[in-house]
Formats: sequence, C-alpha cells, structure tokens
Amino acid sequence: DAGITQSPRHKVTETGTPVTLRCHQTENHRYMYWYRQDPGHGLRLIHYSYGVKDTDKGEVSDGYSVSRSKTEDFLLTLESATSSQTSVYFCAISESVVGTRAYEQYFGPGTRLTVT
Amino acid sequence: SQQGEEDPQALSIQEGENATMNCSYKTSINNLQWYRQNSGRGLVHLILIRSNEREKHSGRLRVTLDTSKKSSSLLITASRAADTASYFCATDEGSSASKIIFGSGTRLSIRP
Repeated sequence: DAGITQSPRHKVTETGTPVTLRCHQTENHRYMYWYRQDPGHGLRLIHYSYGVKDTDKGEVSDGYSVSRSKTEDFLLTLESATSSQTSVYFCAISESVVGTRAYEQYFGPGTRLTVT
Repeated sequence: SQQGEEDPQALSIQEGENATMNCSYKTSINNLQWYRQNSGRGLVHLILIRSNEREKHSGRLRVTLDTSKKSSSLLITASRAADTASYFCATDEGSSASKIIFGSGTRLSIRP
C-alpha cells in the first residue's frame, strides 16, 4: 500500500468549531487531493495541491481551506464546522505516469467527521 | 456538478455472470480511470485508458472508451463474491490533467 496516513481517523465536533484534518505521505508524490464522500454523491473534490504552497479549488471548496507547507503534508481546515460538513474525507496522492499526462491516484484510509 | 456519472447506480448479479457498468462525462479528457471501493475503505485503482485508446484489458476487466459519445464502460467477466464493491469512474478536466473528478459510482453486489 502507498504510504498515506490520515489523522484523526474519527472525529466528533460541534457546530462552529474549527477542525483540521491531516494527510501525510511518504511517497514524495507531487500531487495531493482532498475529497469528501457522501451517500448518493460519490467522491467530490474539495481542494488539491500541485506542489508545495500551490493549491487549487475543486467542486465543493466553500467552507474549506487547505495548506501545504511541505511535500509530505496536506492539511484541510474547516474554519467553522457545520452539520452539512459531516462526511467521510479521503486524501489521495498522485504522480504522473512517466511519459504521459495520466495521474493514477492512491488513497488514504479516510477520516469520518461528525459535526453535531 | 460532477464530471462523470455512472449507470446503473446499483447492480445485483449472480456469481459467474458478467457485470457491465457505464460512465458518462461532460468535457474533453486526457484519460479515464476506474476505481473500486470496498465498504468503508479507500479507493483502489483498477485501470486507466487514455483518450486515444478505445479498449483496454486487465485480467477479468475490460474497459472501453468512446470519446465521441463521452462515455466509457467497465466489464467484469466471470464475477466472484470478492467483486462486491462500489465502482467509480474518474476523469480529468482536459485542460488540467492532474485535477481528477469522480462520478457517483455503481454499487455492485454479487449473489452466491
């Protein structure tokens, strides 16, 4: 398995509190992603990073911010958690397949976040 | 909205039968990928097909891509109980090959 860890694995928090989720990789991959998974919606891209300090928004970025100060860590912050952000959050990493513009992703185990 | 949409949303077949899942997408792409997710786990990459390819095989998996119809299909032959999982297609946004967007998935159940 690719060396990707997510912390915490489970978290319960109250509405209005800030929350930070961490993704850590040991593969030295350039690209890192945050997705949320909800029933009926599959995976939706929140933010992704194409290098240290280089990030871009995804489909559902409102209410989320990210930071990447070093290659191995990608942080997702919910500035003020809401019940609609209750979800399972997955981190993924990728690197381009040599000689192509193809990016195969490797996923972390997920973080289950409940906002009460 | 999501780039890819799978059809059907759920599929139940007998062990040994073939399973076919379809994916449609909206914009031009560089590549299309299929992933599998076992319950409660992260996604696992199955196969990648490039926009200039029409068909690709990997073991019991066969993927087709029709860029004129913006659609792809995943065929799993001789299904097994272990194939029970959710299957997702994933595409890039053409202009940004590293930005990967997933569809809503097909939930496959294999009956013994």
